[in-house]
Amino acid sequence: EIVMTQSPATLSVSPGERATLSCRASQSVSSNLAWYQQKPGQAPRLLIYGASTRATGIPARFSGSGSGTDFTLTISRLEPEDFAVYYCQNYGTYILTFGGGTKVDIK
Amino acid sequence: QVQLQESGPGLVRPSETLSLTCAVSGASISDENWWTWVRQPPGKALEWIGEIYHGGTTNYQPSLKGRVALSVDRSQNRFSLRVTSVTAADTVLYYCAREIYRGHFSGIDSWGQGILVTVSS
Repeated sequence: EIVMTQSPATLSVSPGERATLSCRASQSVSSNLAWYQQKPGQAPRLLIYGASTRATGIPARFSGSGSGTDFTLTISRLEPEDFAVYYCQNYGTYILTFGGGTKVDIK
Repeated sequence: QVQLQESGPGLVRPSETLSLTCAVSGASISDENWWTWVRQPPGKALEWIGEIYHGGTTNYQPSLKGRVALSVDRSQNRFSLRVTSVTAADTVLYYCAREIYRGHFSGIDSWGQGILVTVSS
């Protein structure tokens, strides 16, 4: 079973700054990776799939990169609405696996 | 716009069976997508439970396999989740959602609002 590990657990960033979130897979997952944003009391929202393709309506300040075992979600300039928890997700053969999440909070 | 709505009892007794239904509107459950359940303990990470295709093919989280069953009702455009022998560890928020496929997996793009189920006597 593939394990997805996200780091850091919490990232403190000031509005307008850049945020870099990491996700590591315990074995290669090719580009089968998605990123989600979740705000308190809300369902997750799809940001990125295929490791780097933005979902419909997602602002260009969100970008994803990586392949194999190491992936990155970058938020180029944090807006107030970007403070949330972010999850990576692998979609493998017959199973989907989420990482433990990174909380981005205000510095 | 696709909308999903979970329904079911908010309270289930230990050792009994939890049953939830997800009503889909704005899309046909017979589309070329998969339908999924994800759960989340309060304040904790997301956990994928399983998925079902409109033809009835299912895949499950290995740690839950044996206790979980998904089904689909194409006539009612809805799908359902059953979890048997529930314990306090099954006290979580349950989401139903759509896994969208555009030739390949393209993310879980539509989610219900979630339903909190408490296991308690």
